[in-house]
Amino acid sequence: GAGVSQTPSNKVTEKGKYVELRCDPISGHTALYWYRQSLGQGPEFLIYFQGTGAADDSGLPNDRFFAVRPEGSVSTLKIQRTERGDSAVYLCASSLFAGTSYNEQFFGPGTRLTVL
Amino acid sequence: EDQVTQSPEALRLQEGESSSLNCSYTVSGLRGLFWYRQDPGKGPEFLFTLYSAGEEKEKERLKATLTKKESFLHITAPKPEDSATYLCAVQAWETSGSRLTFGEGTQLTVNP
Repeated sequence: GAGVSQTPSNKVTEKGKYVELRCDPISGHTALYWYRQSLGQGPEFLIYFQGTGAADDSGLPNDRFFAVRPEGSVSTLKIQRTERGDSAVYLCASSLFAGTSYNEQFFGPGTRLTVL
Repeated sequence: EDQVTQSPEALRLQEGESSSLNCSYTVSGLRGLFWYRQDPGKGPEFLFTLYSAGEEKEKERLKATLTKKESFLHITAPKPEDSATYLCAVQAWETSGSRLTFGEGTQLTVNP
């Protein structure tokens, strides 16, 4: 079956520009997560959605970062006024349920963001 | 604050040379400990979830074990295709939505 998909696979932008990164989770998965991974590091949590609402956005680094999931499926991570420090791989994951013991998260291939 | 430390940072093995990767963790009530494999340029691929001390899980040449303070990923008779970065992550009961806290990973290279 189809896994988590993310578009674009690569995004190069200039400092100060606005970018949108898209995630399409596994069909039927109610929980969706965004993580950020810098080179040589493990993924770092950004935000979690249960259905349409952002249940936990405590990992967003600042107010330039925002994410939506308007219909409870596809999610978009939005970054305003990009900075060179935002360069990283942005990973999306989904799980069948959250808040239960059996909720393995399945990851997409990521979007590599480069801010020049 | 939940913390995960993985060792070694990098490991080189000869094909068939068994070894273990370590994941030490500090968490306020462990809900689950996860192992992922990540190939270059790809997202993490789920391997195992462990929920309680003493639990073990196996998949092909990999076996994961869990104690109250650490987890081990044992690799038996590895092959070159086992080369990847192995990530360990914990999930705590207190955090909403079951976010994962990852270690920095162990980069495994298996030479033919």
